Amino acid sequence: DTGVSQDPRHKITKRGQNVTFRCDPISEHNRLYWYRQTLGQGPEFLTYFQNEAQLEKSRLLSDRFSAERPKGSFSTLEIQRTEQGDSAMYLCASSSGVAATQYFGPGTRLLVL
Amino acid sequence: SQQGEEDPQALSIQEGENATMNCSYKTSINNLQWYRQNSGRGLVHLILIRSNEREKHSGRLRVTLDTSKKSSSLLITASRAADTASYFCATDRTTGNQFYFGTGTSLTVIP
Repeated sequence: DTGVSQDPRHKITKRGQNVTFRCDPISEHNRLYWYRQTLGQGPEFLTYFQNEAQLEKSRLLSDRFSAERPKGSFSTLEIQRTEQGDSAMYLCASSSGVAATQYFGPGTRLLVL
Repeated sequence: SQQGEEDPQALSIQEGENATMNCSYKTSINNLQWYRQNSGRGLVHLILIRSNEREKHSGRLRVTLDTSKKSSSLLITASRAADTASYFCATDRTTGNQFYFGTGTSLTVIP
């Protein structure tokens, strides 16, 4: 068990560019979550998957945000046409089922210039 | 919007003292979890307490849950400088598939 990993750890991009982040959950976990955290705030839930099914996506911040988990293992979060307001820490977590502990990765820190 | 609210927003204590922080939430939950986050780092899970539980312990941590008041507290006993961090509660609502974190309590333990 190597824990949840995220790649990259840091990303600097120019406004208008697309970015994609990857999350590798703990191997036996079937649930995967994405959050956004801005400075001084708690994590804000974005979306989650159970295996490859995206069960909740109403809280994705806009239609510029999308997430996939094509084989039920790793997941990607894409932000299209980035804006300066997208600058934040993007956190991924995984869990083994309903109402189970969520284990977090180290996060990807995004800076949009 | 955030589901939970932690209180106080910031807490500063001397090493060896106890630290208590509170979390209030708005709707029925399946469970409530407490996390710690060191500055700029990921979240570390501390304790999960289910809605049918009233108290749980883990080492120097004690968590209580009062579902009638929709509140929880986290007590850290005999605090250490290494406990300096932000502490968040997170709730798993009974309706919908969404998870909410509070705004956090920033704890500073002075050596």
